[in-house]
Amino acid sequence: EVQLVESGGGLVQPGESLRLSCVASGFTFSHYRMHWVRQAPGKGLMWVSLIEIDGRTTSHADSVRGRFTISRDNAKNTLYLQMNSLRVDDTAVYYCTRDAAGLSYWGLGTLVTVSS
Amino acid sequence: QSALTQPRSVSGSPGQSVTISCTGTSSDVGAYNYVSWYQQYPGKVPKIVIYDVTQRPSGVPDRFSGSKSGNTGFLTISGLQSEDEADYYCCSYAGTSLIFGGGTQLTVL
Repeated sequence: EVQLVESGGGLVQPGESLRLSCVASGFTFSHYRMHWVRQAPGKGLMWVSLIEIDGRTTSHADSVRGRFTISRDNAKNTLYLQMNSLRVDDTAVYYCTRDAAGLSYWGLGTLVTVSS
Repeated sequence: QSALTQPRSVSGSPGQSVTISCTGTSSDVGAYNYVSWYQQYPGKVPKIVIYDVTQRPSGVPDRFSGSKSGNTGFLTISGLQSEDEADYYCCSYAGTSLIFGGGTQLTVL
């Protein structure tokens, strides 16, 4: 059974950092492109970042580029999102998703709250 | 990276059909056959219902269908059922990124 389990969310102040993790199981993690997608409270889905299977090619949404970095450790079946210089409008549930025939599997998400 | 344009809400009676549109540009929806659609119930995780414009994942009822014309993708739900009441989001590749629509709330009257 495919499982994606995010962790690392929490309450931080503006300007602080967090690192999210997503542990994958039930499939060969190294064979799939992965994404982070977020959803602010009461709002729609917003794509954040993607990483190719080799980990060298990445892409980020304009609103997070230069502040967020996506990475992966295929040996540990883990996807990461390093978030620096967090802003109040980064508050959201962050989902880890697997890209194959669309975003076919999603984790339950981890909540990041940025507030002073 | 502006969001794809979806109607904020649509509605239909049980048994009817509804179609949700998703309008982008020649750089996203119009450029790639990678439009996907997601169903989300309140407080729940999104679930894919259509990928690659027209493909339906296993387990998704054949009442759900997708299509595309130019820069606009479409999700059609036929034979509406009460459990179809949810938010629906479209998504497209846009080169090296993804872009979502703003979401459409479907109400089953």
